[in-house]
This record gives sequence, structure tokens and C-alpha cells, in this order.
Amino acid sequence: DQQVKQNSPSLSVQEGRISILNCDYTNSMFDYFLWYKKYPAEGPTFLISISSIKDKNEDGRFTVFLNKSAKHLSLHIVPSQPGDSAVYFCAASARNSGYALNFGKGTSLLVTP
Amino acid sequence: KAGVTQTPRYLIKTRGQQVTLSCSPISGHRSVSWYQQTPGQGLQFLFEYFSETQRNKGNFPGRFSGRQFSNSRSEMNVSTLELGDSALYLCASSLQGPADTQYFGPGTRLTVL
Repeated sequence: DQQVKQNSPSLSVQEGRISILNCDYTNSMFDYFLWYKKYPAEGPTFLISISSIKDKNEDGRFTVFLNKSAKHLSLHIVPSQPGDSAVYFCAASARNSGYALNFGKGTSLLVTP
Repeated sequence: KAGVTQTPRYLIKTRGQQVTLSCSPISGHRSVSWYQQTPGQGLQFLFEYFSETQRNKGNFPGRFSGRQFSNSRSEMNVSTLELGDSALYLCASSLQGPADTQYFGPGTRLTVL
């Protein structure tokens, strides 16, 4: 059963605009959430994370928001750049399961000039 | 600092055979985790090794096994290959465990005919 879901397989955004990628989870034991970016023929690259004790974390153009009551997190990229075009994976982990990552199936982001 | 390396990058096997994949972590990283990526199931956690011991295991059959050496290099083995084992196998290393940032290798693409 998929405990982490990314319901949008793809997203297209114009350069300079905001990209919003969404992720939902079902396991209330998850206490650490991450976003990874993946280019073709490469492994996923860590982007940003958030602990369950926070509701927002920023790193440059990337901001992750966590809504624990809704079991929902989102990644905002502002402004979007063509180099951001990649597949974005949401992942969640729990201390009681050794922080093994549970991944969503990914959202393919295309940023057009 | 060199990243995570995986060998071989591509592999073709036939049903019933066995295969061994190798992962060299980033220098100084003691934890290695393995993941399987398929179009249907996405990225799924296989197991994690730390100090030559399997510390955590995902929900995969016993045909999937691994080990870690004293230099933190890790291998995973799949015996009696099935068509459904065709996937991208990714390894990730981290300093002490998955709670630390995990750095992924480029993966080994296994095709079972």
C-alpha cells in the first residue's frame, strides 16, 4: 500500500512563475519529510526536508510546507527556472521504522521558457 | 569528495539466475541503504546496513539479500531472478543512518529476460 502519494504525475510551469508540488501521506507515525529531485540517468538528489515539529522550511527558492492535520506537504519553487525541470519525489520516514524512506511515485516538472 | 558509485550500471540476466550489485559509499559514510525503483511501485526500501550489520529491512522476499564490508562498501544479491525483478536498483549512503541526509548513486539498471 502506498503510504506516500503524489497525485499529479506531471506539472508544467512557465519560467519565473511559482511551481507547487503536492504530496499526501497516510501514516501518522511519519515525523520527517523530504523532497528529492531526479534527473534522467542520475540518482535522486536531496533538496529540502522538514521535521514534523515545524510547518515550514525554506532554502533559497525552495520552501516546504507541512500540514500535519491534513497529512499533506507541498514544495514551492519560486521563481521556477528551466533547470528545475526534473522528477520530484516526496519521501517520508518515521523514527520507529529506522527512518527508512517511503517515497511517492514522483511528479515530473517541466519549466518552459 | 567522490559521490556514491554503483557497479555495474547496466545488467541483463535471465530468469532463474542470480545477480550481485555493488555500492561504494561516500568516504566516511557508514550507512548504506538499498532501494528498488519500478514504474508500478515507485521507489521502495530494501534494506539498510551499518557497521556490517543489517539494521533495517523492507518488505521484500528472502531472495533479496545484502551485506556490508568493513570499508562500508555494500553488495546486494538477488537469487532466482524473476521477470518482476527488472528495475533500477539504487543505493544511498549517509553518515550514521537514514536520519542523516542520504546521498544516492546513479543506480544499476537490471533487466531480467
